[in-house]
Amino acid sequence: GQSLEQPSEVTAVEGAIVQINCTYQTSGFYGLSWYQQHDGGAPTFLSYNGLDGLEETGRFSSFLSRSDSYGYLLLQELQMKDSASYFCAVRPAAGNKLTFGGGTRVLVKP
Amino acid sequence: ETGVTQSPTHLIKTRGQQVTLRCSSQSGHNTVSWYQQALGQGPQFIFQYYREEENGRGNFPPRFSGLQFPNYSSELNVNALELDDSALYLCASRLGGNTEAFFGQGTRLTVV
Repeated sequence: GQSLEQPSEVTAVEGAIVQINCTYQTSGFYGLSWYQQHDGGAPTFLSYNGLDGLEETGRFSSFLSRSDSYGYLLLQELQMKDSASYFCAVRPAAGNKLTFGGGTRVLVKP
Repeated sequence: ETGVTQSPTHLIKTRGQQVTLRCSSQSGHNTVSWYQQALGQGPQFIFQYYREEENGRGNFPPRFSGLQFPNYSSELNVNALELDDSALYLCASRLGGNTEAFFGQGTRLTVV
């Protein structure tokens, strides 16, 4: 099976940088995805790493190292609207389901 | 706005009852997955349908069942509701092997 570990909560101020780590145990997978979910809202896709390395999408970047079973999401120039829960998720090599981590709640303060 | 709509948005049911939740996929998406999300946790995979056939199932009992229709809309049915079934139920659609899944807003089910 698969399991993913994330910190439960992170607090930072506007303009700061936050890194959310995700460590996983899986027997093989296509790639690591990141989703954002505001309270009461739907998870929305942020980023995907199919290969090792850094992917940059505006203020958000994501990184994957398969040899270290580790990835992270980097949130730069934090804004109040970034207060949300962030989930890492893997899609296994066999099968199509997404397996999610427990989520990291990010609280951005003025 | 993801183009995936779910109904109803909120629902209260009594233990032992049955419930049907509905999902309208984004246009052209032939794959739909259902997830259960308990408060403060990540979504847990229930099952997936591809072109009206179930092609993946998570660790949920048989009283959780589903359907996908020719227009790719889908249903999640839960029989013999238990208190622990109280959760947000999310459906997500995608186009085949595309990595990005588009989620609906979910149905908040409360079992009392």
